[in-house]
Amino acid sequence: AQKITQTQPGMFVQEKEAVTLDCTYDTSDPSYGLFWYKQPSSGEMIFLIYQGSYDQQNATEGRYSLNFQKARKSANLVISASQLGDSAMYFCAMREGQESYQLTFGKGTKLSVIP
Amino acid sequence: DTGVSQNPRHKITKRGQNVTFRCDPISEHNRLYWYRQTLGQGPEFLTYFQNEAQLEKSRLLSDRFSAERPKGSFSTLEIQRTEQGDSAMYLCASSADAAFNQPQHFGDGTRLSIL
Repeated sequence: AQKITQTQPGMFVQEKEAVTLDCTYDTSDPSYGLFWYKQPSSGEMIFLIYQGSYDQQNATEGRYSLNFQKARKSANLVISASQLGDSAMYFCAMREGQESYQLTFGKGTKLSVIP
Repeated sequence: DTGVSQNPRHKITKRGQNVTFRCDPISEHNRLYWYRQTLGQGPEFLTYFQNEAQLEKSRLLSDRFSAERPKGSFSTLEIQRTEQGDSAMYLCASSADAAFNQPQHFGDGTRLSIL
C-alpha cells in the first residue's frame, strides 16, 4: 500500500482564489510528522509547513494552512489567495516513528495558477 | 546563511563509468540525507547520516552506491558502473536535530544523465 497518496496529478486555480491539495497517508505508528514541500520548475524543494501527529491545532504558515483530519488520515494543504508564483509541484511527505528519519513522499500535485 | 550546496549541478556520463557527487549541508546541521528523484515522481530516500555515522540505508542503495561523510561535514555519493536506470535527480538535504518538527532543507540537486 502507498504510504502517501496524492490523488490530484494536476490542479488549476484562478489567481487570488484558494485551493486545496489533497494528501492521505497510511501508518500504524502513533508518532509521525507530515510535511509539505513546493518544487518549482527550477528544481529546488522548498519546505512549506509541518503537522505533527500529536498536534491539537491545524498548522498555519502565512498563506498556507493544513486541514489535518487524523481519523481520516488526511493532511490537505490549503493555499489562500493564490499567486502566479505558486505554480509548482507540491509534495506531501511523512516521517514515521521515533527511530527513522527518512521522509516518504507522495507523487505530487502540479498546481497551475491562472491569471 | 547559506543553504545546502550540491555539486555538480549536472553530470552526463557514459554507461559503465563511475560518478561522484558532493553535498555541503547547512553549517550547523549534523544530519544529512540523500534522496533520488525520477521524472514525475517524488523523492525516494537513499541514506541518512548523523554526523559521520551512516544510520539508515534504503534497499534502493545497491552495492554500486556508496555514501560517505568522513568528518561529519560534507558528504559524497558515488555510483559505480552506472546504468541507464541511474538517470535521475540526486537530492541532498540536511536538518538541525532529531525533533519531529525539524524540516529537512534540500539542495538544488545534481541531475545525472547516463548516455
